[in-house]
Amino acid sequence: AQKITQTQPGMFVQEKEAVTLDCTYDTSDPSYGLFWYKQPSSGEMIFLIYQGSYDQQNATEGRYSLNFQKARKSANLVISASQLGDSAMYFCAMREGSGYGGSQGNLIFGKGTKLSVKP
Amino acid sequence: NAGVTQTPKFQVLKTGQSMTLQCAQDMNHEYMSWYRQDPGMGLRLIHYSVGAGITDQGEVPNGYNVSRSTTEDFPLRLLSAAPSQTSVYFCASRTRALRRNEQFFGPGTRLTVL
Repeated sequence: AQKITQTQPGMFVQEKEAVTLDCTYDTSDPSYGLFWYKQPSSGEMIFLIYQGSYDQQNATEGRYSLNFQKARKSANLVISASQLGDSAMYFCAMREGSGYGGSQGNLIFGKGTKLSVKP
Repeated sequence: NAGVTQTPKFQVLKTGQSMTLQCAQDMNHEYMSWYRQDPGMGLRLIHYSVGAGITDQGEVPNGYNVSRSTTEDFPLRLLSAAPSQTSVYFCASRTRALRRNEQFFGPGTRLTVL
């Protein structure tokens, strides 16, 4: 079974509108972390936002926020006021465990969502 | 700081050739990893290291070797390249000191095996 599922292969959004990228995860570990990365056409992986499983509040980083619904095992990325430069692939990833031990900290990635922002 | 650097950026190999992808980081991070990215897929873990002298296998280790003799360097070796190893390879590092354990990625190496 997939541990990270991103059900939207591609999405379009109008410039200046908000968009939500879906991510669901599967783990039995009570301690985990959820990450979103952006990959523009140039290919680099850019860290956007992080949510820990014990964090009480949803994470926010500028125009990015993470809608964390623990009971539903979902960690959707919300981008407010989309810009043309937001056009990219977006990957949701999970780290199982606290991150302080051996293999804990390695990331499991979803297949990504390609976001296109229309002017 | 240069962060995580990878060389080469692009490489074309013939089936059966060997090569080493280089990865270095100057952030004194304990953990380093190699991922591969194939079309339509997310990144998949090949090998990782939790410190100098310690390595372990990830999800897709076959056909690859690693070693970690220093904190800074984590090379990935392809012993006998196969077309199935055509991919983009990312090296990443992280520190165990930060709670969120963000991974820092290198720019990637695009490898084509003919």
